[in-house]
Amino acid sequence: GAGVSQSPSNKVTEKGKDVELRCDPISGHTALYWYRQSLGQGLEFLIYFQGNSAPDKSGLPSDRFSAERTGGSVSTLTIQRTQQEDSAVYLCASSLFPRGPLTGELFFGEGSRLTVL
Amino acid sequence: KQEVTQIPAALSVPEGENLVLNCSFTDSAIYNLQWFRQDPGKGLTSLLLIQSSQREQTSGRLNASLDKSSGRSTLYIAASQPGDSATYLCAVTQGGSEKLVFGKGTKLTVNP
Repeated sequence: GAGVSQSPSNKVTEKGKDVELRCDPISGHTALYWYRQSLGQGLEFLIYFQGNSAPDKSGLPSDRFSAERTGGSVSTLTIQRTQQEDSAVYLCASSLFPRGPLTGELFFGEGSRLTVL
Repeated sequence: KQEVTQIPAALSVPEGENLVLNCSFTDSAIYNLQWFRQDPGKGLTSLLLIQSSQREQTSGRLNASLDKSSGRSTLYIAASQPGDSATYLCAVTQGGSEKLVFGKGTKLTVNP
């Protein structure tokens, strides 16, 4: 696609429910990232994919959070048994190369706003 | 642990003014530094990417500099316009890591 696409754009759920957030990166981008942006906070790294594998998942806040990527393309972030503190905007980004000395830019989607009641 | 700080947190200027946004980071072992713009309710738009070996990058009215040894970057915006109003975020890629560490941003308002 022309840009990084995320769905849903908005999700309201009840505490304790599971949610799935989807990211469709720019075609051909091998690296995919999930970040979380909470009100008044900076962007918090969650997980990074290179192809279908996740070399760095150090930012996942708890075992309620998981993510997968299939076919080197679409990624799904799953939050189980949601809590109110999970309310945030979840941003996905992709880049053409793994980030490093010869890195390319990071391109972000518009995010999925999650509200847990 | 890398920490990125942006000063000021908010800035309001009249249209036409030149302005500077500041970013500092605590660990100079970075691969690169990237400036982003975020409009309300939107994702991030990349503005400029400076590799660790570079000193500055320019795009139109924007100029970003990097002084890795002192842990500082500045984003210079010339002849500001109301359409420049947004939150500007600075992020560094830490050496040995693939993740960006972000500052909390500077919210810029350019008044007509």
